[in-house]
Amino acid sequence: AQSVTQPDIHITVSEGASLELRCNYSYGATPYLFWYVQSPGQGLQLLLKYFSGDTLVQGIKGFEAEFKRSQSSFNLRKPSVHWSDAAEYFCAVGKISNFGNEKLTFGTGTRLTIIP
Amino acid sequence: AAGVIQSPRHLIKEKRETATLKCYPIPRHDTVYWYQQGPGQDPQFLISFYEKMQSDKGSIPDRFSAQQFSDYHSELNMSSLELGDSALYFCASSYRGLSGNTIYFGEGSWLTVV
Repeated sequence: AQSVTQPDIHITVSEGASLELRCNYSYGATPYLFWYVQSPGQGLQLLLKYFSGDTLVQGIKGFEAEFKRSQSSFNLRKPSVHWSDAAEYFCAVGKISNFGNEKLTFGTGTRLTIIP
Repeated sequence: AAGVIQSPRHLIKEKRETATLKCYPIPRHDTVYWYQQGPGQDPQFLISFYEKMQSDKGSIPDRFSAQQFSDYHSELNMSSLELGDSALYFCASSYRGLSGNTIYFGEGSWLTVV
């Protein structure tokens, strides 16, 4: 069964500083990988996704993530964070069937706090 | 662009009551998913439907049932509610016709059981 580990429960970053959120996955084949963001009391918004091809993927709001098969990782990065980036970030892996992405298994999330 | 629509957004029920949540997927999406997110928890997969047939099942209690209708909207029915059912319930949809289809989430329905 697939699984996702987000080692950092809570990260605090100064506004304007760079950010990296870690994600490690376990899956028996090439995974479909996703990052979602959830603001307090809000739904899940897709930031970016990796299916195949270029291992560095660009997303919305200036985020990017790099798929590293050798490390089973899909870390999320942003060169300069804004106060509005404060939220909960979830990494997820998709279970693949003949129909494509079947369902998502989420990590436990990383809460990002931005300080002035 | 149209998104996944969930209703109601907030619901308060008493223990042992029944609740029904509705989900309207993105137009032309053929798959609907239900997830439950407890306070401070990650979303947990409950159940999914493809072309109105149940396609996968996760940690959904026997007290819960769901179905997808001919217009592709879905309903999650929860009976004999318990305090522990208080959570944010997400509906999501996707189109399986695409390789590596992406799952899009609604804003969620907040259920509080008192």
